[in-house]
Amino acid sequence: EIVLTQSPGTLSLSPGERATLSCRASHSVSSSYLAWYQQKPGQAPRLLIYGASSRATGIPDRFSGSGSGTDFTLTISRLEPEDFAVYYCQQSGNSPGITFGQGTRLEIK
Amino acid sequence: QVQLQQWGAGLLKPSETLSLTCAVYGGSFSDYYWSWIRQPPGKGLEWIGEINHSGSTNYNPSLKSRVTISVDTSKNQLSLKLSSVTAADTAVYYCARARYGTRYYYGMDVWGQGTTVTVSS
Repeated sequence: EIVLTQSPGTLSLSPGERATLSCRASHSVSSSYLAWYQQKPGQAPRLLIYGASSRATGIPDRFSGSGSGTDFTLTISRLEPEDFAVYYCQQSGNSPGITFGQGTRLEIK
Repeated sequence: QVQLQQWGAGLLKPSETLSLTCAVYGGSFSDYYWSWIRQPPGKGLEWIGEINHSGSTNYNPSLKSRVTISVDTSKNQLSLKLSSVTAADTAVYYCARARYGTRYYYGMDVWGQGTTVTVSS
């Protein structure tokens, strides 16, 4: 089973700053099968990035994804107030199925 | 616009079977995989399993012995059954749509509203 470890657990930043979130896999993951989600309290997750670097429909271009192999990154170039949430990475395509990282909480400093 | 609407019993006793249904409105049912995901209170996301329109399933190995996911294509619905529940199965349960391409995964782009399930004696 692929284990995804996200860091940091909590990231405290101010609006306008740049956020860099990490997702490390226990074994190599094809970038084609790596996605990122945003979740706000009381809401279902929202797809941000698929294929490691492709933005989902309607996602602002301040969100970008990169990485390959075992190391992936979600970057938010300039934080807006609505970006403070929990972020999850996810992999699919490696048997035995889909796994999520434990999440990174992005909070207002 | 595609919408997923889910429903099912919200309060169960230990050893009972959890049963949830998710209906797909406004879009194709056959072009996608349909997943169930859960989230215990204050914790992260756990994938339970997925199914496509032809009934092909994949399950989380840690839950496989207790999980059945089925599909009713005549109603564009999928269902989740989880047997022998315990307090550890208390969570918000979501259904979600995912698309796979040839050696590619487009992610879970549409989600249900979530159903809170509590297991308590």
